[in-house]
Amino acid sequence: ELKVEQNPLFLSMQEGKNYTIYCNYSTTSDRLYWYRQDPGKSLESLFVLLSNGAVKQEGRLMASLDTKARLSTLHITAAVHDLSATYFCAVLSGGSNYKLTFGKGTLLTVNP
Amino acid sequence: GAGVSQSPSNKVTEKGKDVELRCDPISGHTALYWYRQRLGQGLEFLIYFQGNSAPDKSGLPSDRFSAERTGESVSTLTIQRTQQEDSAVYLCASSLAPGLQYEQYFGPGTRLTVT
Repeated sequence: ELKVEQNPLFLSMQEGKNYTIYCNYSTTSDRLYWYRQDPGKSLESLFVLLSNGAVKQEGRLMASLDTKARLSTLHITAAVHDLSATYFCAVLSGGSNYKLTFGKGTLLTVNP
Repeated sequence: GAGVSQSPSNKVTEKGKDVELRCDPISGHTALYWYRQRLGQGLEFLIYFQGNSAPDKSGLPSDRFSAERTGESVSTLTIQRTQQEDSAVYLCASSLAPGLQYEQYFGPGTRLTVT
């Protein structure tokens, strides 16, 4: 059974600081997603990582994937308050082309 | 254009009652997914529809849970004889076609509270 673990689960940052959220998964997968969820809102797709060594950047967020280590990171650079949200990673379950297994999410709070 | 919509946004029900949760996917999306999000947890896959058939119901937690879909449109998730452990946010997503080369678009969810 595929397990996806995120850490930390709670992250309080000051504006301007950098930090990394980690996503480990237990079995081979060749597709990993990062989502953002604001309170009471839908999940918003941030990144899709398709291959080993993939790196994608959007604004202050950068995601990477190491399929050999079964690890993805979401790096936050010079955090701003608008980044406050819950961030989920999700991994495509083995043998399926549609079933996602999600981590528990990281609640990020960026303080002034 | 309109995104995925769900109704109601909040539902409070007494233990033992039946509830129906509705999902309106994006027009033209053939694939539809239901997920459950318990407090402090990630999303759990419940069921997947391709058109109006459900090739994968493996995530439904018990026989009290069922879902149907009308054509390539509205889907209803029904929970019979609700229990307190059913309290969660139920999220629906749709994609243009099956397969994760097609992005899943999520609705805002229905927060179900069973008292």
